[in-house]
Amino acid sequence: SQQGEEDPQALSIQEGENATMNCSYKTSINNLQWYRQNSGRGLVHLILIRSNEREKHSGRLRVTLDTSKKSSSLLITASRAADTASYFCATDGQAGGTSYGKLTFGQGTILTVHP
Amino acid sequence: DAGVIQSPRHEVTEMGQEVTLRCKPISGHDYLFWYRQTMMRGLELLIYFNNNVPIDDSGMPEDRFSAKMPNASFSTLKIQPSEPRDSAVYFCASRRQGRTYGYTFGSGTRLTVV
Repeated sequence: SQQGEEDPQALSIQEGENATMNCSYKTSINNLQWYRQNSGRGLVHLILIRSNEREKHSGRLRVTLDTSKKSSSLLITASRAADTASYFCATDGQAGGTSYGKLTFGQGTILTVHP
Repeated sequence: DAGVIQSPRHEVTEMGQEVTLRCKPISGHDYLFWYRQTMMRGLELLIYFNNNVPIDDSGMPEDRFSAKMPNASFSTLKIQPSEPRDSAVYFCASRRQGRTYGYTFGSGTRLTVV
């Protein structure tokens, strides 16, 4: 089964609104990463947050991590039509675990931003 | 840097034929990963290499799948014989040594087995 599970599966908003996507995972992690995938393209790395960090910012992106709840959220502020894509969280397992050294992806959230 | 380069972009083949997918990672990246993406199963890790050595191939579906990395700048994923259920988009990704780096993905190879 997938390590990360995103919620919601699909999100439709208007340009200028904020978009929030959530991710839950099951095992201990070294870090958690978010990726974006435009239709028919490869994945693009957006941001990485380590297990000892609680929040991280990059431009219009804000990521939070709660290791006690095994969850993360990605916030995109002031969304644009160009943000329309699928967004995936991915976990990098902790040393000693079976998922150490490799990313396990969730099923993704499809974000549609209407102009 | 040209990024991770995969070829071909699209491949249509008949069931039973051999298929070879190719990947050139980013120069200086020590890790290379092969993923498969389908609607039903999402992104699945097939195999990954560290310094050209296969580390974990537990995701390879069956013996019909094999992967090699003869040098730091080239890797192949081979399916022999191919089956319709192998139809998917296959991605190659690479990253640097160290746990604070994200992956760089190629554009993928869309494989259709008819």
